Amino acid sequence: GENVEQHPSTLSVQEGDSAVIKCTYSDSASNYFPWYKQELGKRPQLIIDIRSNVGEKKDQRIAVTLNKTAKHFSLHITETQPEDSAVYFCAAFDSWGKLQFGAGTQVVVTP
Amino acid sequence: DVKVTQSSRYLVKRTGEKVFLECVQDMDHENMFWYRQDPGLGLRLIYFSYDVKMKEKGDIPEGYSVSREKKERFSLILESASTNQTSMYLCASSQRTGGGYFGPGTRLTVT
Repeated sequence: GENVEQHPSTLSVQEGDSAVIKCTYSDSASNYFPWYKQELGKRPQLIIDIRSNVGEKKDQRIAVTLNKTAKHFSLHITETQPEDSAVYFCAAFDSWGKLQFGAGTQVVVTP
Repeated sequence: DVKVTQSSRYLVKRTGEKVFLECVQDMDHENMFWYRQDPGLGLRLIYFSYDVKMKEKGDIPEGYSVSREKKERFSLILESASTNQTSMYLCASSQRTGGGYFGPGTRLTVT
């Protein structure tokens, strides 16, 4: 089955700097890669996603890139703000629709 | 707007009890999922269903069963609750091709 690895497990950045979270997946049939943000005490929220036929997608300060050959995908957050502090999860959605998650990255943005 | 609801936010049960957790989605999604979330362990897939009466085991199905008699409803059953099943349980639903929206979670304590 699909195995998703996520790094780093914690990331501390200064406000205004960029943050990058990296994930790898194992199943080459996986075709959809969503990212979730989970604030303390809340449910994970879908923030951006990318499909396997696209290399990059951007939405304001967040962007996701996908390298199908290497089975890597990454989340980039630019101009970080304190409200970006949360746990971020990457996920991979295989051809059966099974959604598997990485272990999560705790992002702390310090003013 | 996608709405995924779960029957209880907090639940306290005794060891050996049979426990039912219910999840309902209103977006006609084909896929539904049950995850448990424990500190440091991320989101672990228990079971998922890609259609009515269809189910697939996830990574940690032991001690759990599921039921999907109607498209909008996916139930998680703990046949005989044990203390190591104390956790946050999150339900999610998605279209066959993507998405992935979570319910608010049920914090289950087994004493």
